[in-house]
Amino acid sequence: KAGVTQTPRYLIKTRGQQVTLSCSPISGHRSVSWYQQTPGQGLQFLFEYFSETQRNKGNFPGRFSGRQFSNSRSEMNVSTLELGDSALYLCASSSSQGGTTDTQYFGPGTRLTVL
Amino acid sequence: AQSVTQLGSHVSVSEGALVLLRCNYSSSVPPYLFWYVQYPNQGLQLLLKYTTGATLVKGINGFEAEFKKSETSFHLTKPSAHMSDAAEYFCAVSDEAAGRRALTFGSGTRLQVQP
Repeated sequence: KAGVTQTPRYLIKTRGQQVTLSCSPISGHRSVSWYQQTPGQGLQFLFEYFSETQRNKGNFPGRFSGRQFSNSRSEMNVSTLELGDSALYLCASSSSQGGTTDTQYFGPGTRLTVL
Repeated sequence: AQSVTQLGSHVSVSEGALVLLRCNYSSSVPPYLFWYVQYPNQGLQLLLKYTTGATLVKGINGFEAEFKKSETSFHLTKPSAHMSDAAEYFCAVSDEAAGRRALTFGSGTRLQVQP
């Protein structure tokens, strides 16, 4: 079974631009979560989608948004990029009929650099 | 809110030596606990998880962890380190009990294995 895939793997943007990252979950998984990883703040939860609905949201500004499609693929968007948005963005999928005891499987991440 | 503290941002051991990575959590309710490993330029891979039941949890690659409620700890151990174990390790707790399907991660411990 193919794992979680994220595209693109690397992105370079400039301040003020916007960016869209994509995540394809493991086949059959309906929950997709996004995390931001930075050297200073570590791993932080952004949001989670299940069946096209956002179920949970972390403590990030409204510039960070996401959506999920009917095939469970998910995108996250960051508008008006700031230097501090440079990070590795990780996507994780789980079957998540229950809670977070379901194993979350992580993709390789998208490395975003904001210049 | 739940939180995780990993003692020691860097741990160095000799090949064949015991690996001990420390994790303490705070939670007002019974926690769900996880250990993940991250190799360079890769996403996170689940090593093991504790939900309920047996407090000694065995994971992949010879790792195990013991949930100690009285000490609020979930330390990760491996009897004999291998060069391939060099990576960054993250302890995490779920926020399920707080109504959020998200993982709260510790700051990570980078494991070096000396030949």
